[in-house]
Amino acid sequence: DSGVTQTPKHLITATGQRVTLRCSPRSGDLSVYWYQQSLDQGLQFLIQYYNGEERAKGNILERFSAQQFPDLHSELNLSSLELGDSALYFCASSEGDVSTNEKLFFGSGTQLSVL
Amino acid sequence: AQTVTQSQPEMSVQEAETVTLSCTYDTSESDYYLFWYKQPPSRQMILVIRQEAYKQQNATENRFSVNFQKAAKSFSLKISDSQLGDAAMYFCAYNGNDYKLSFGAGTTVTVRA
Repeated sequence: DSGVTQTPKHLITATGQRVTLRCSPRSGDLSVYWYQQSLDQGLQFLIQYYNGEERAKGNILERFSAQQFPDLHSELNLSSLELGDSALYFCASSEGDVSTNEKLFFGSGTQLSVL
Repeated sequence: AQTVTQSQPEMSVQEAETVTLSCTYDTSESDYYLFWYKQPPSRQMILVIRQEAYKQQNATENRFSVNFQKAAKSFSLKISDSQLGDAAMYFCAYNGNDYKLSFGAGTTVTVRA
């Protein structure tokens, strides 16, 4: 168990809908990262937050947004869902701010299926 | 973003034998970290080993070791004395100055009993 908690584990929804994925980082970790894993794109970095502030941004679509709350949990909001958004969404956490040597601890992921 | 290439989609190894997974990367940076992550059927991403670019000594974690060739931009993972629990997908990852951990496509390792 990595200590990172993601809910829900599975989510099935329809095109055009909006969903929220939730992540609770390890105790003491200030950074939260979101990744998308799909068969065609592999593991793609979406966004990182550190202590409530956005620190780094990857190939995150405009339909997607995220935030980190004062209690350090994070939510990833996906809207106007398309079939291609079906993927495994990972949250990871680390202790510090952006750094090349940060060890990331991953949650078990949320499997999103858009029908 | 940096490119990480894993040229072996699948590898098979006999239990107790050794298997080596290949990884190459493309970068112009001098300071970076390289990682190998394991993803078993449970889908959890587990850090296996980490290597700092400035360190010439290859990292080792129990049965897992790397062969880091900085000039060649190569970072292979060797799994010794393979066990059934080693069966998983293994991802090579690069973390550089953009702090966006970039992953390769992964190599699926099958362990034969």
